[in-house]
Amino acid sequence: GENVEQHPSTLSVQEGDSAVIKCTYSDSASNYFPWYKQELGKRPQLIIDIRSNVGEKKDQRIAVTLNKTAKHFSLHITETQPEDSAVYFCAASLTGTASKLTFGTGTRLQVML
Amino acid sequence: GAVVSQHPSRVICKSGTSVKIECRSLDFQATTMFWYRQFPKQSLMLMATSNEGSKATYEQGVEKDKFLINHASLTLSTLTVTSAHPEDSSFYICSARDPSGGRLETQYFGPGTRLLVL
Repeated sequence: GENVEQHPSTLSVQEGDSAVIKCTYSDSASNYFPWYKQELGKRPQLIIDIRSNVGEKKDQRIAVTLNKTAKHFSLHITETQPEDSAVYFCAASLTGTASKLTFGTGTRLQVML
Repeated sequence: GAVVSQHPSRVICKSGTSVKIECRSLDFQATTMFWYRQFPKQSLMLMATSNEGSKATYEQGVEKDKFLINHASLTLSTLTVTSAHPEDSSFYICSARDPSGGRLETQYFGPGTRLLVL
């Protein structure tokens, strides 16, 4: 089955700096890669996703890049703000409504004032 | 759109009792829902895939007789933790996909249920 690794496990940045979180996956058939943000005690919220037919996707301060050959994808947050502090999870799956997500181990991001 | 609710949000029970958690898709019909368990400071681990009108598909290592799943309608799936023990204490989260939307792969998560077994 799919295995997703995520690094780093914790990340501290100064407000205004950029943050980068990296994930690798094992199943070359995976073609959908979402990123979720989870605040303490809350539900995971989708912040951005990318499909394997695209190499990069951007939404305001958030961007995701995908390297299918190397089987890794990354989340980039620019101009970080204190409200960006949360745990971020990457995931991978096949497309299709019954396909299951395999999550990474999570990255705890702390944005310091 | 694509709102998923869960009930209850928090439950405390005695060891040996059973607890039922409901997951509802509020504004869409979901033929497939997913149940996850999340221990403190850990990732989401898929427990089972709930299929409307048929048996759930359990992940390896998850006891189907202990975690009963019923997906009786297109908007409701239930997870029953039978004979709960302290080691079952965790955060249980469901998710669903909205097949009517343009984002077929996106999973929308419920708010979670925190279970504490004494």
